[in-house]
Amino acid sequence: NAGVTQTPKFQVLKTGQSMTLQCAQDMNHEYMSWYRQDPGMGLRLIHYSVGAGITDQGEVPNGYNVSRSTTEDFPLRLLSAAPSQTSVYFCASSHGDRSWVSGYTFGSGTRLTVV
Amino acid sequence: QQQVKQSPQSLIVQKGGISIINCAYENTAFDYFPWYQQFPGKGPALLIAIRPDVSEKKEGRFTISFNKSAKQFSLHIMDSQPGDSATYFCAASIPGRRALTFGSGTRLQVQP
Repeated sequence: NAGVTQTPKFQVLKTGQSMTLQCAQDMNHEYMSWYRQDPGMGLRLIHYSVGAGITDQGEVPNGYNVSRSTTEDFPLRLLSAAPSQTSVYFCASSHGDRSWVSGYTFGSGTRLTVV
Repeated sequence: QQQVKQSPQSLIVQKGGISIINCAYENTAFDYFPWYQQFPGKGPALLIAIRPDVSEKKEGRFTISFNKSAKQFSLHIMDSQPGDSATYFCAASIPGRRALTFGSGTRLQVQP
Protein backbone atom coordinates (compact mmCIF):
# COMPACT_ATOMS: atom_id res chain seq x y z
CA ASN A 1 0.00 0.00 0.00
CA ALA A 2 1.96 3.01 -1.30
CA GLY A 3 -0.64 5.71 -0.46
CA VAL A 4 -0.28 8.83 -2.62
CA THR A 5 2.71 8.82 -4.98
CA GLN A 6 3.93 12.01 -6.63
CA THR A 7 6.53 12.24 -9.36
CA PRO A 8 8.94 13.83 -9.94
CA LYS A 9 10.19 14.98 -6.52
CA PHE A 10 12.18 17.85 -7.99
CA GLN A 11 11.96 19.67 -11.32
CA VAL A 12 13.53 22.75 -12.88
CA LEU A 13 11.76 24.29 -15.86
CA LYS A 14 12.50 27.17 -18.12
CA THR A 15 9.88 29.87 -18.55
CA GLY A 16 7.39 28.83 -21.22
CA GLN A 17 8.01 25.10 -20.96
CA SER A 18 5.17 22.73 -20.20
CA MET A 19 5.16 19.68 -17.99
CA THR A 20 2.92 17.26 -16.13
CA LEU A 21 3.13 16.51 -12.44
CA GLN A 22 1.99 12.98 -11.76
CA CYS A 23 -0.16 11.84 -8.84
CA ALA A 24 -1.36 8.29 -8.22
CA GLN A 25 -3.15 6.69 -5.27
CA ASP A 26 -3.81 3.04 -4.56
CA MET A 27 -6.44 3.44 -1.83
CA ASN A 28 -9.49 3.61 -4.14
CA HIS A 29 -10.19 7.13 -2.91
CA GLU A 30 -12.90 9.09 -4.72
CA TYR A 31 -11.61 12.56 -3.91
CA MET A 32 -8.31 13.93 -5.17
CA SER A 33 -6.93 17.46 -5.12
CA TRP A 34 -3.86 19.53 -5.93
CA TYR A 35 -2.40 22.23 -3.69
CA ARG A 36 0.56 24.54 -3.94
CA GLN A 37 2.52 25.57 -0.86
CA ASP A 38 4.28 28.90 -0.70
CA PRO A 39 6.03 30.44 2.35
CA GLY A 40 3.60 32.27 4.62
CA MET A 41 0.57 31.34 2.53
CA GLY A 42 -0.26 27.84 3.64
CA LEU A 43 -1.58 25.43 1.03
CA ARG A 44 -3.82 26.81 -1.68
CA LEU A 45 -6.18 24.64 -3.67
CA ILE A 46 -5.52 24.51 -7.42
CA HIS A 47 -7.98 21.91 -8.74
CA TYR A 48 -9.95 19.03 -7.27
CA SER A 49 -11.94 16.00 -8.37
CA VAL A 50 -14.76 14.06 -6.75
CA GLY A 51 -14.45 11.08 -9.09
CA ALA A 52 -13.33 9.88 -12.50
CA GLY A 53 -14.40 12.31 -15.21
CA ILE A 54 -15.27 15.11 -12.76
CA THR A 55 -12.98 18.04 -12.00
CA ASP A 56 -13.43 21.57 -10.69
CA GLN A 57 -11.37 24.68 -10.04
CA GLY A 58 -10.00 25.71 -6.67
CA GLU A 59 -8.64 29.04 -5.47
CA VAL A 60 -5.68 29.39 -7.86
CA PRO A 61 -6.44 27.46 -11.09
CA ASN A 62 -4.93 29.82 -13.66
CA GLY A 63 -2.08 28.27 -15.63
CA TYR A 64 -2.95 24.71 -14.63
CA ASN A 65 -5.06 21.96 -16.17
CA VAL A 66 -6.20 18.64 -14.75
CA SER A 67 -8.03 15.54 -15.90
CA ARG A 68 -9.28 12.45 -14.10
CA SER A 69 -9.65 9.55 -16.50
CA THR A 70 -9.24 6.90 -13.79
CA THR A 71 -9.90 6.74 -10.05
CA GLU A 72 -6.19 6.23 -9.37
CA ASP A 73 -4.55 9.06 -11.33
CA PHE A 74 -4.89 12.84 -11.19
CA PRO A 75 -2.15 14.58 -13.23
CA LEU A 76 -1.55 18.34 -13.05
CA ARG A 77 -0.42 20.05 -16.24
CA LEU A 78 1.46 23.33 -16.39
CA LEU A 79 0.67 24.79 -19.80
CA SER A 80 3.40 27.45 -20.07
CA ALA A 81 5.52 27.66 -16.94
CA ALA A 82 6.08 31.04 -15.30
CA PRO A 83 8.41 32.01 -12.41
CA SER A 84 5.28 32.66 -10.29
CA GLN A 85 4.61 28.92 -10.44
CA THR A 86 7.77 28.16 -8.50
CA SER A 87 6.38 26.31 -5.51
CA VAL A 88 5.99 22.98 -3.77
CA TYR A 89 3.02 21.04 -5.13
CA PHE A 90 1.07 18.51 -3.10
CA CYS A 91 -1.49 16.00 -4.24
CA ALA A 92 -4.04 14.65 -1.74
CA SER A 93 -6.75 12.02 -1.76
CA SER A 94 -9.66 11.11 0.49
CA HIS A 95 -12.24 8.39 0.86
CA GLY A 96 -15.41 10.18 -0.22
CA ASP A 97 -17.92 10.88 2.50
CA ARG A 98 -15.62 9.32 5.09
CA SER A 99 -13.10 12.11 4.52
CA TRP A 100 -14.17 13.76 7.76
CA VAL A 101 -13.18 10.59 9.63
CA SER A 102 -10.00 9.52 7.87
CA GLY A 103 -8.87 12.89 6.58
CA TYR A 104 -6.92 13.57 3.45
CA THR A 105 -3.73 11.64 2.62
CA PHE A 106 -1.00 13.80 1.10
CA GLY A 107 1.85 12.85 -1.15
CA SER A 108 5.42 13.89 -0.34
CA GLY A 109 5.34 16.78 -2.81
CA THR A 110 7.03 18.01 -5.97
CA ARG A 111 9.41 20.94 -5.63
CA LEU A 112 9.21 22.95 -8.86
CA THR A 113 11.51 25.80 -9.83
CA VAL A 114 10.81 27.89 -12.92
CA VAL A 115 13.74 29.97 -14.16
CA GLN B 1 -9.24 36.68 0.49
CA GLN B 2 -8.10 34.31 3.18
CA GLN B 3 -11.08 32.43 4.54
CA VAL B 4 -9.15 30.82 7.39
CA LYS B 5 -6.80 33.05 9.38
CA GLN B 6 -4.16 31.41 11.56
CA SER B 7 -1.96 32.81 14.32
CA PRO B 8 0.76 33.02 15.43
CA GLN B 9 3.06 32.59 12.45
CA SER B 10 5.72 31.08 14.69
CA LEU B 11 5.84 29.81 18.26
CA ILE B 12 8.63 28.80 20.61
CA VAL B 13 7.69 26.70 23.65
CA GLN B 14 9.77 25.02 26.32
CA LYS B 15 9.61 21.26 26.71
CA GLY B 16 6.65 20.34 28.90
CA GLY B 17 4.81 23.56 28.16
CA ILE B 18 1.49 24.14 26.40
CA SER B 19 1.43 25.18 22.74
CA ILE B 20 -1.65 27.07 21.56
CA ILE B 21 -2.43 27.87 17.92
CA ASN B 22 -5.53 29.80 16.92
CA CYS B 23 -7.65 29.96 13.79
CA ALA B 24 -10.63 32.06 12.77
CA TYR B 25 -12.91 31.52 9.83
CA GLU B 26 -15.37 33.58 7.83
CA ASN B 27 -17.54 31.09 5.99
CA THR B 28 -20.34 29.79 8.22
CA ALA B 29 -20.90 26.94 5.76
CA PHE B 30 -17.69 25.23 6.93
CA ASP B 31 -18.60 22.01 8.71
CA TYR B 32 -15.30 20.23 9.18
CA PHE B 33 -12.18 21.60 10.88
CA PRO B 34 -9.00 19.48 10.80
CA TRP B 35 -5.49 20.23 11.96
CA TYR B 36 -2.52 18.98 9.96
CA GLN B 37 1.09 18.51 11.05
CA GLN B 38 3.93 18.85 8.56
CA PHE B 39 7.59 17.96 9.03
CA PRO B 40 10.26 19.38 6.70
CA GLY B 41 10.32 17.66 3.32
CA LYS B 42 7.08 15.78 4.00
CA GLY B 43 3.46 16.22 3.09
CA PRO B 44 0.93 17.32 5.75
CA ALA B 45 -0.58 14.57 7.90
CA LEU B 46 -3.90 14.65 9.71
CA LEU B 47 -3.46 15.28 13.43
CA ILE B 48 -6.98 15.75 14.78
CA ALA B 49 -10.31 17.05 13.46
CA ILE B 50 -13.59 18.37 14.80
CA ARG B 51 -17.09 19.06 13.54
CA PRO B 52 -19.10 22.08 14.80
CA ASP B 53 -21.60 20.04 16.80
CA VAL B 54 -19.05 19.62 19.61
CA SER B 55 -17.01 22.25 21.47
CA GLU B 56 -13.95 20.17 22.26
CA LYS B 57 -12.17 17.06 21.09
CA LYS B 58 -9.17 15.49 22.75
CA GLU B 59 -6.77 12.87 21.41
CA GLY B 60 -3.84 12.18 23.69
CA ARG B 61 -1.89 15.42 24.21
CA PHE B 62 -3.77 17.21 21.42
CA THR B 63 -7.05 19.08 21.96
CA ILE B 64 -9.20 21.12 19.61
CA SER B 65 -11.40 23.79 21.17
CA PHE B 66 -14.21 25.06 18.97
CA ASN B 67 -16.29 28.23 19.44
CA LYS B 68 -19.02 28.31 16.82
CA SER B 69 -20.46 31.71 17.79
CA ALA B 70 -17.03 33.37 17.58
CA LYS B 71 -16.09 31.38 14.46
CA GLN B 72 -12.83 30.37 16.06
CA PHE B 73 -11.04 27.13 16.82
CA SER B 74 -7.72 26.36 18.40
CA LEU B 75 -5.20 23.56 18.86
CA HIS B 76 -3.70 22.93 22.26
CA ILE B 77 -0.64 20.69 22.61
CA MET B 78 -0.14 19.68 26.22
CA ASP B 79 3.27 18.63 27.57
CA SER B 80 4.95 19.78 24.35
CA GLN B 81 7.94 17.69 23.26
CA PRO B 82 10.87 18.43 20.91
CA GLY B 83 9.39 15.84 18.54
CA ASP B 84 6.34 18.09 18.18
CA SER B 85 8.50 20.68 16.41
CA ALA B 86 6.82 21.04 13.03
CA THR B 87 4.54 23.31 11.04
CA TYR B 88 0.86 23.11 11.95
CA PHE B 89 -1.99 24.03 9.64
CA CYS B 90 -5.63 24.51 10.48
CA ALA B 91 -8.11 23.88 7.70
CA ALA B 92 -11.81 23.84 6.96
CA SER B 93 -14.14 22.47 4.34
CA ILE B 94 -17.76 22.85 3.27
CA PRO B 95 -20.18 20.10 2.35
CA GLY B 96 -19.91 19.19 -1.31
CA ARG B 97 -16.63 20.97 -1.97
CA ARG B 98 -14.54 17.92 -1.11
CA ALA B 99 -11.34 19.89 -0.63
CA LEU B 100 -9.69 21.86 2.16
CA THR B 101 -9.13 25.57 2.75
CA PHE B 102 -5.96 25.99 4.79
CA GLY B 103 -4.66 28.58 7.19
CA SER B 104 -1.22 30.06 6.59
CA GLY B 105 0.56 27.76 9.05
CA THR B 106 2.37 28.02 12.39
CA ARG B 107 5.95 26.93 12.79
CA LEU B 108 6.30 25.41 16.27
CA GLN B 109 9.67 24.96 17.91
CA VAL B 110 9.82 23.08 21.21
CA GLN B 111 13.08 23.71 23.00
CA PRO B 112 14.55 20.93 25.19
